[in-house]
Amino acid sequence: EAGVAQSPRYKIIEKRQSVAFWCNPISGHATLYWYQQILGQGPKLLIQFQNNGVVDDSQLPKDRFSAERLKGVDSTLKIQPAKLEDSAVYLCASSFPRGGFEQYFGPGTRLTVT
Amino acid sequence: KQEVTQIPAALSVPEGENLVLNCSFTDSAIYNLQWFRQDPGKGLTSLLLIQSSQREQTSGRLNASLDKSSGRSTLYIAASQPGDSATYLCAVKSGSARQLTFGSGTQLTVLP
Repeated sequence: EAGVAQSPRYKIIEKRQSVAFWCNPISGHATLYWYQQILGQGPKLLIQFQNNGVVDDSQLPKDRFSAERLKGVDSTLKIQPAKLEDSAVYLCASSFPRGGFEQYFGPGTRLTVT
Repeated sequence: KQEVTQIPAALSVPEGENLVLNCSFTDSAIYNLQWFRQDPGKGLTSLLLIQSSQREQTSGRLNASLDKSSGRSTLYIAASQPGDSATYLCAVKSGSARQLTFGSGTQLTVLP
């Protein structure tokens, strides 16, 4: 079974530039999550999708971050414009829709904003 | 708001030692608790998932316990090996949106 795929793996941009990350979840997983992990901290949930609808985006900085999940499969996370404090690893995870099922994580995208 | 704390932040042990990692959470109304392993530059690998109705789960040399009423979980690693060196993260699923809240992790180093 293929795991959660993410690209790119690494990205370096200057502040005020824009960047986009892509995620392909495990086949059949209706729920998709984007997390931000700052160095030395645990991942923090940014947004949760159920199929192509948003379940929770309470911690997404909506003035600069946006995410979409067209057709309920792949998802993209965009930052525009980036700030220095956005430097982090962005993790995508997926799971079956019910609450008891565990989440499976992708390898992450390491973003450095200079 | 759920908060998860992991102690210690870092731990170094000689190979072969048994060890315990601790996790505490503030809101006992959880659906489940998961322990993850994270290697440098890699994503998270799920080690054990304990449902709220369970007391413990075991996988090989790993044993995780859950005491929901006191808001605590422990991850026991038996006969540690250098390959166990990684950061171990605890996460609890709670809230109406069933979101995962993570601790900051314990960075484990097993010395050969």
